[in-house]
Amino acid sequence: SAVISQKPSRDICQRGTSLTIQCQVDSQVTMMFWYRQQPGQSLTLIATANQGSEATYESGFVIDKFPISRPNLTFSTLTVSNMSPEDSSIYLCSVAQLAVNNEQFFGPGTRLTVL
Amino acid sequence: EDQVTQSPEALRLQEGESSSLNCSYTVSGLRGLFWYRQDPGKGPEFLFTLYSAGEEKEKERLKATLTKKESFLHITAPKPEDSATYLCAVQANTGGFKTIFGAGTRLFVKA
Repeated sequence: SAVISQKPSRDICQRGTSLTIQCQVDSQVTMMFWYRQQPGQSLTLIATANQGSEATYESGFVIDKFPISRPNLTFSTLTVSNMSPEDSSIYLCSVAQLAVNNEQFFGPGTRLTVL
Repeated sequence: EDQVTQSPEALRLQEGESSSLNCSYTVSGLRGLFWYRQDPGKGPEFLFTLYSAGEEKEKERLKATLTKKESFLHITAPKPEDSATYLCAVQANTGGFKTIFGAGTRLFVKA
């Protein structure tokens, strides 16, 4: 399976600021996704990162708050904009290689705390 | 609406005490059901994919089974290192590649 890295691994940010999280994969993948995992809860899909076009957002998530880029088949970024304490979560990148199967593999996550 | 419910929320076992975790799902046409293991502070680790009722898969002390309404993750003679949160997730045929996760079962295995 692909090796996925995320930067930063954790951060503490002030209210009103923005943070960009990077996701790097060691091989080309078909699909890249961004999830949020709030404390003590399961994973919620934020959006599908599409290469060369706008991301596809799930209900409750908007581009102005969570802009996403995917310039190529191995890299994506998620920005959490104008942060509030409610944005404190773990943000996870995942990838899937659809030519093989539908299985998703996850990065180690970015733990974000907003004060 | 597609939904995944896992039970119990938490399970405490003695080392060697076998048990099962349950995942009930409602989905408009199942493309696949997935089991993941998540350790504290880490991303989920893929375990199994099941595609159709009657399918079974095994890995070390873990065995996953699937029916039309639920999946079980059987843990045989668990060890303390099996302690983790186990997540179940489904993909529907009609939902693109959106994966819906359950809340997970936190497993504690005591030596």
